[in-house]
Amino acid sequence: SQTIHQWPATLVQPVGSPLSLECTVEGTSNPNLYWYRQAAGRGLQLLFYSVGIGQISSEVPQNLSASRPQDRQFILSSKKLLLSDSGFYLCARGAGGDQETQYFGPGTRLLVL
Amino acid sequence: GQNIDQPTEMTATEGAIVQINCTYQTSGFNGLFWYQQHAGEAPTFLSYNVLDGLEEKGRFSSFLSRSKGYSYLLLKELQMKDSASYLCAVRDSNYQLIWGAGTKLIIKP
Repeated sequence: SQTIHQWPATLVQPVGSPLSLECTVEGTSNPNLYWYRQAAGRGLQLLFYSVGIGQISSEVPQNLSASRPQDRQFILSSKKLLLSDSGFYLCARGAGGDQETQYFGPGTRLLVL
Repeated sequence: GQNIDQPTEMTATEGAIVQINCTYQTSGFNGLFWYQQHAGEAPTFLSYNVLDGLEEKGRFSSFLSRSKGYSYLLLKELQMKDSASYLCAVRDSNYQLIWGAGTKLIIKP
């Protein structure tokens, strides 16, 4: 079966501190990988997506960055967190193709104080 | 701009039927998805429509009208565990998903 792992599950960080969130996928090769942020009462916002190792597309300019060092690993980072970075961060995978369905990991809840 | 509209909140009774509507205005259309999201959890996939008509999956059905930019999710024989948010998402001409803010469904006994 295909599984998505995300850690940590929850995180409280001070403003200005760095961030590293990790997503790993099992049971599939060369998946499309996505980072979303969900703020309370709002739709999911696509932050980054990747179709392969080292290939990152950014959807929203901000102080976040993403990397894909291995086929099944997707990392979201920041050098200096802002209060507005608080939210629920979700990693998703897709198999590609015109009718791709995205499946989500359990998410990381980030609170920046 | 691109827009997905859903009601913010709906209330229904256990055992009843509820219809959650979604209207969309996007640059192109390459499919519409419904996801269920329980509080504090990740969204889980429910249904996918790319052609007009009704898709049925057990107690859940999803309908699409591309000419009207409209979809609905129909939930039958409601159970308490169906209390959740339901997210509508449309794949646009760039094959990116555009997400609605979700409809919070409250089920009362």
